[in-house]
Amino acid sequence: DTGVSQDPRHKITKRGQNVTFRCDPISEHNRLYWYRQTLGQGPEFLTYFQNEAQLEKSRLLSDRFSAERPKGSFSTLEIQRTEQGDSAMYLCASSLIRDQETQYFGPGTRLLVL
Amino acid sequence: DAKTTQPTSMDCAEGRAANLPCNHSTISGNEYVYWYRQIHSQGPQYIIHGLKNNETNEMASLIITEDRKSSTLILPHATLRDTAVYYCTRGSYGQNFVFGPGTRLSVLP
Repeated sequence: DTGVSQDPRHKITKRGQNVTFRCDPISEHNRLYWYRQTLGQGPEFLTYFQNEAQLEKSRLLSDRFSAERPKGSFSTLEIQRTEQGDSAMYLCASSLIRDQETQYFGPGTRLLVL
Repeated sequence: DAKTTQPTSMDCAEGRAANLPCNHSTISGNEYVYWYRQIHSQGPQYIIHGLKNNETNEMASLIITEDRKSSTLILPHATLRDTAVYYCTRGSYGQNFVFGPGTRLSVLP
């Protein structure tokens, strides 16, 4: 399977703990996006990378959130000092610039903060 | 601001065509219309996109009005596995997608 992969698929943590999620984009896709999705809502944009550069961050991305894409391939999203309001599905998507920006999504990581 | 509006829910009989409308009256000339769907607990799946011409692929057809203010996604022969939330969104180069709550399509036997 050469689609977008995310790890872990599920994470349960206690309030105040740090968590890290990983996303592996489709090979050679130069753009990588992170979204958050809560129940009954569509995905909300958090941030995106073009190669290793983080080009845009949503105001939803508080200072407890940090994302990296160190070598322009996989990316990590870390949430520090988790809060119950962080419980959501975290989605990663990737795209190839010349492909009219069609984004292909991974299966998501479902986070539950107790 | 989702920038697109869709009905909250729709039903369709199995084997019949499902026609899902989307309003994007403020779309810019360089923005494409994209459709995705999301089956429970999975990531959104890309379906189709278009700029101004009608498009068809193995999954669906996309009909865009001449003024580009609205579009319709057509699933020609809906099956039970097409039950999902369908999202219409818009975007262009360097622009991030804004998703609304989508349309919950229920295909009924």
